[in-house]
Amino acid sequence: ETGVTQTPRHLVMGMTNKKSLKCEQHLGHNAMYWYKQSAKKPLELMFVYSLEERVENNSVPSRFSPECPNSSHLFLHLHTLQPEDSALYLCASSQGGCPGPYEQYFGPGTRLTVT
Amino acid sequence: KNEVEQSPQNLTAQEGEFITINCSYSVGISALHWLQQHPGGGIVSLFMLSSGKKKHGRLIATINIQEKHSSLHITASHPRDSAVYICAVVRAAGNKLTFGGGTRVLVKP
Repeated sequence: ETGVTQTPRHLVMGMTNKKSLKCEQHLGHNAMYWYKQSAKKPLELMFVYSLEERVENNSVPSRFSPECPNSSHLFLHLHTLQPEDSALYLCASSQGGCPGPYEQYFGPGTRLTVT
Repeated sequence: KNEVEQSPQNLTAQEGEFITINCSYSVGISALHWLQQHPGGGIVSLFMLSSGKKKHGRLIATINIQEKHSSLHITASHPRDSAVYICAVVRAAGNKLTFGGGTRVLVKP
């Protein structure tokens, strides 16, 4: 039990669908992250939220839209995705702010397939 | 060239063998993580270190900041150690992770 949960665990969606991925952390952290893991590529950072403010947007296409309503919840809204967006999407959380760095705790991931 | 390089990409060992995975990086860092990813995707943080050596059970991680190199050692390997091991560095500012490509380890009984 990592303290970071993600739903759904698996998602199949068409290119015209709109769906959302949800992440929840029960660790009292105040920074949350979205990562993408495509086949045969290293993990890539997508977004970072610290104290509910987006502090990093790593050149991610606008068809991915994050939302952080509070320090425990993080969403990734998906719309008009492409087949190449099929990947494992991982959420993580950590302490935030200075001085850092802090250990990150990962959720189990959502396996997304875009058809 | 990636900022974080791991070797080997794949490793097969017999149960009981000593395993070493290497990580080299080319940027200034404040810390380095070793992560374990099992089939199914979940990632577990094994170590975060910024100098010297850390040990947890049969796992040992070392880092040489001057040489920009870290190693993860698994002593007395066991089939349950079969996983992908990922090195990730934290840049000198912030808590962003930059990842290596991972090392897929298979330990045969």
